Amino acid sequence: DTEVTQTPKHLVMGMTNKKSLKCEQHMGHRAMYWYKQKAKKPPELMFVYSYEKLSINESVPSRFSPECPNSSLLNLHLHALQPEDSALYLCASSQGRLAGGSTDTQYFGPGTRLTVL
Amino acid sequence: QKEVEQNSGPLSVPEGAIASLNCTYSDRGSQSFFWYRQYSGKSPELIMFIYSNGDKEDGRFTAQLNKASQYVSLLIRDSQPSDSATYLCAVRHASRFGNEKLTFGTGTRLTIIP
Repeated sequence: DTEVTQTPKHLVMGMTNKKSLKCEQHMGHRAMYWYKQKAKKPPELMFVYSYEKLSINESVPSRFSPECPNSSLLNLHLHALQPEDSALYLCASSQGRLAGGSTDTQYFGPGTRLTVL
Repeated sequence: QKEVEQNSGPLSVPEGAIASLNCTYSDRGSQSFFWYRQYSGKSPELIMFIYSNGDKEDGRFTAQLNKASQYVSLLIRDSQPSDSATYLCAVRHASRFGNEKLTFGTGTRLTIIP
């Protein structure tokens, strides 16, 4: 089973709203990722959690705040977003560097389509 | 700057023919290479990964890696209309921080013509 689930599928929010995106996996993976993808562009890495610790933050604005409550869950808290933040937000997971080694493979969830008005 | 380059296409291939997708990368320390398929409006789906020089086959798909030429390709045999999608090449670089980060190419849009 290589399933990563994400909720909600679609989200429309105003610039003053606070919302959260959720991601869950039950594959025993120890690395989880948030990506942002704009139309006709490749996924752009935002954050990596490795063994529940934030290991990579790609200089993402503070209006995006990640959280990893446990090894199966990953949240992305959104506050005061801008219209240019509208995109497909993808969560992915992988075994992590200790278990996966050089073949550590990322599996993506279905994504949340975010629209900021 | 670690770069991964793909021809953006569109690449049009007749149904039943072989589709050949190419990817070059700049970092000689790159360790492993992944091909993802992405249908319009959907998330990327893993097709194959390869980390040793040579060919790796899985059904109608063959990945080819040439580390000396810094080149990786994906061949799709007996192309079907359902193969029409964007194909993303992703490369993992050696890093003292671990193996988590992938660099994606811009993707090649493939259209299979019935």
